Amino acid sequence: QSVVTQSPSASGTPGQRVTISCSGSSSNIGSNTVSWYQQLPGTAPTLLIYSDNHRPSGVPDRFSGSKSGTSASLAINGLQSEDEAEYYCAAWDDSLNGYVFGTGTKVTAL
Amino acid sequence: EVQLVESGGGLVQPGGSRRLSCAASGFTFGTYSMSWVRQAPGKGLEWVSYISARATTIFYADSVKGRFTISRDNAKNSLDLQMNSLRAEDTAVYYCVRDGGNDWFDPWGQGTLVTVSS
Repeated sequence: QSVVTQSPSASGTPGQRVTISCSGSSSNIGSNTVSWYQQLPGTAPTLLIYSDNHRPSGVPDRFSGSKSGTSASLAINGLQSEDEAEYYCAAWDDSLNGYVFGTGTKVTAL
Repeated sequence: EVQLVESGGGLVQPGGSRRLSCAASGFTFGTYSMSWVRQAPGKGLEWVSYISARATTIFYADSVKGRFTISRDNAKNSLDLQMNSLRAEDTAVYYCVRDGGNDWFDPWGQGTLVTVSS
């Protein structure tokens, strides 16, 4: 079982703001940067946010990341139907000497 | 275009071995760390192994330590994962990912499915 936890699901109507949380510990999120990945059904994950709050080129600016202490958040401002996907956070863990992924959050557009 | 293409997946019996390969193109392979990440059917993502750009630093998840070996050939732009003593719980899609130095994985390959079953 993962040492980084996410709420299993989140939902909103198109246009709403949806927030996903990622809770870790001092050895991972608390001391290393967080990245976020979007996995559309049946496809490989893609990078959404890196270095806690940076968007790669091509990622819409409705996606934003933040971090405070041992928790991180991904916000989708203005949810769209194409944002329906599974979202994962990830960070390096200094105690495990490896990466840890969050448990994943399924986002649904109602 | 930066691209990663995995190969080598398939059906293998418990206790058997399998070697996965990843062909990289579109970037200077020898200057980037690489990792393998897997996803069991219907489950979340699990990091498997990391190798630094010149293979001087290697890490493994506890779940595969002693059974899996990661390696790379910078002259051939390729990354490998040798998997021994395979178990049913190793059944997963295995992704090759470029590793941004403890910060990001990008891009991801399309994945290759390994099924461990008798």
